[in-house]
Amino acid sequence: GENVEQHPSTLSVQEGDSAVIKCTYSDSASNYFPWYKQELGKGPQLIIDIRSNVGEKKDQRIAVTLNKTAKHFSLHITETQPEDSAVYFCAAPTGTASKLTFGTGTRLQVTL
Amino acid sequence: KAGVTQTPRYLIKTRGQQVTLSCSPISGHRSVSWYQQTPGQGLQFLFEYFSETQRNKGNFPGRFSGRQFSNSRSEMNVSTLELGDSALYLCASSLSGANNYGYTFGSGTRLTVV
Repeated sequence: GENVEQHPSTLSVQEGDSAVIKCTYSDSASNYFPWYKQELGKGPQLIIDIRSNVGEKKDQRIAVTLNKTAKHFSLHITETQPEDSAVYFCAAPTGTASKLTFGTGTRLQVTL
Repeated sequence: KAGVTQTPRYLIKTRGQQVTLSCSPISGHRSVSWYQQTPGQGLQFLFEYFSETQRNKGNFPGRFSGRQFSNSRSEMNVSTLELGDSALYLCASSLSGANNYGYTFGSGTRLTVV
């Protein structure tokens, strides 16, 4: 099955700085890579995703890059704000199965 | 449009009891998946239902079961509760499958077993 590793487990940045979270996956058949943000007391929320036919996707301050050869993808948040503080999860599908395997999460803290 | 609705939000049960959790997916979504979230194990896949059929199953004991109704609403049941079942149970709906469209999660049901 799919194995997704995520680093770092915690990340503290100052407001305005950039944050980068990295994930690796094992199943070469995976072709869809979403990122989720989970705030306290809420379920994870999809914030951006990328498919294997593109190498990068950007949405305002958030971007995701994908390197299929190396089997890793990364989340980039620029100009971080206090409201970006949350736990972020990467995920990858288990082959062609319609289920996602999640990374272990990164707790991002944006300090003033 | 309405999001994914999970009820109840909180539950306290005693060891040995059973519990049923409910999930109403986004209108039009036919796939409903369930995850268990704990601090130690993260997000663990329980099972997925699509058009009233279990399509995928995770590595959980048979005490964990689920079903999906014709209106796509889903329930999961845990029998003979153990202390280790204390967790946040998340329901996630998807148009046809998470491998193409990702999930929309509910806010979860916080189950505490005492």
